[in-house]
Amino acid sequence: AQKITQTQPGMFVQEKEAVTLDCTYDTSDQSYGLFWYKQPSSGEMIFLIYQGSYDEQNATEGRYSLNFQKARKSANLVISASQLGDSAMYFCAMWGGAGGTSYGKLTFGQGTILTVHP
Amino acid sequence: DGGITQSPKYLFRKEGQNVTLSCEQNLNHDAMYWYRQDPGQGLRLIYYSQIVNDFQKGDIAEGYSVSREKKESFPLTVTSAQKNPTAFYLCASSATQLAGELFFGEGSRLTVL
Repeated sequence: AQKITQTQPGMFVQEKEAVTLDCTYDTSDQSYGLFWYKQPSSGEMIFLIYQGSYDEQNATEGRYSLNFQKARKSANLVISASQLGDSAMYFCAMWGGAGGTSYGKLTFGQGTILTVHP
Repeated sequence: DGGITQSPKYLFRKEGQNVTLSCEQNLNHDAMYWYRQDPGQGLRLIYYSQIVNDFQKGDIAEGYSVSREKKESFPLTVTSAQKNPTAFYLCASSATQLAGELFFGEGSRLTVL
């Protein structure tokens, strides 16, 4: 079974500053993937970034980067140059399992509410 | 535009009534999923379907039922057996070749009166 832990219920950041949202995971699978999703107050889930367990480089997507430390089982999200529109709930999630048996079946963390101050 | 459409956005029901939430996708994705979200919580998997006419229980399937008669559609019925149905329900889909990336609908908020 997989488990995702997000230990920060809420985070505050000043506009234009960088912020790191923590995520640790637990799995016995060798092959797995890690995701970050953003959920604004409207409720929809927006995909931000993905890191595969065999990817050697940290994933980046625009202002988002994923700090993947496999030995420590952590997959922190770094948002650079925060904007007011970044205020939302952020979820870390993972799938795991060889042979595609877990494709799409994501395990989610509890989420972190990010508030960006002007 | 391709995407996932959930309806209704808001739904109220009386205790003891069944209610069906609609989910339609035009992304040509094989796999579809239903997740439940409670306030301040992450998402939990209810049911998923990888191909038409086939579906599997997720982590919290009790009190729910689904069908997958068409590739585009994956409706969820919240039955009267679901003890605590008030929640936010999210439908998602994925192309099975893309390991795990889910595309979500905008959600349906169910309140039991």
